[in-house]
Amino acid sequence: GESVGLHLPTLSVQEGDNSIINCAYSNSASDYFIWYKQESGKGPQFIIDIRSNMDKRQGQRVTVLLNKTVKHLSLQIAATQPGDSAVYFCAENMEGSNYQLIWGAGTKLIIKP
Amino acid sequence: KAGVTQTPRYLIKTRGQQVTLSCSPISGHRSVSWYQQTPGQGLQFLFEYFSETQRNKGNFPGRFSGRQFSNSRSEMNVSTLELGDSALYLCASSWDRSYEQYFGPGTRLTVT
Repeated sequence: GESVGLHLPTLSVQEGDNSIINCAYSNSASDYFIWYKQESGKGPQFIIDIRSNMDKRQGQRVTVLLNKTVKHLSLQIAATQPGDSAVYFCAENMEGSNYQLIWGAGTKLIIKP
Repeated sequence: KAGVTQTPRYLIKTRGQQVTLSCSPISGHRSVSWYQQTPGQGLQFLFEYFSETQRNKGNFPGRFSGRQFSNSRSEMNVSTLELGDSALYLCASSWDRSYEQYFGPGTRLTVT
């Protein structure tokens, strides 16, 4: 079935550099996307979301970009810090799916000192 | 405000046994969702409860069940455990129909 997937399972970034985590989705009916961060030993934590009528949304040090033409979602983290080390999940909601999110497999972000 | 709590944090069971996991949502949250997380599989949605009623259900066998109490606390039960049930079980709460869910730390279940 259609699902959300990630291009890279592991991403290593130098501390202070920007990180870009990518996510591909295949369901054109998805109308909402969300990024979660999961640190070791903890449950996922909401980072930022975006609706399908937008192509960019910014938060504190994070930006989510949505390209509906190629069904691609990305999370950009500015000036990556050691505390950003975690697994990042993208999730999508299909219109009419009753708020049930479909989750990607996750990307592990490693920060190099 | 206290976060979502889950008990126990770790559990070891043998095949064929059953297990009950507990989740206490954030005060005031009425929606509780359960997820199974296994390495490389991301989060798989199990079910969601709201006001003591199951409102959504994922594609899991009937061995997986849950319930919600009047104080919004929720339990999930897995009967006749299989080795493949070994996973981290996460509970998340939210006000109502919201994508912004607050997750607990999870219960790590190991089936031997």
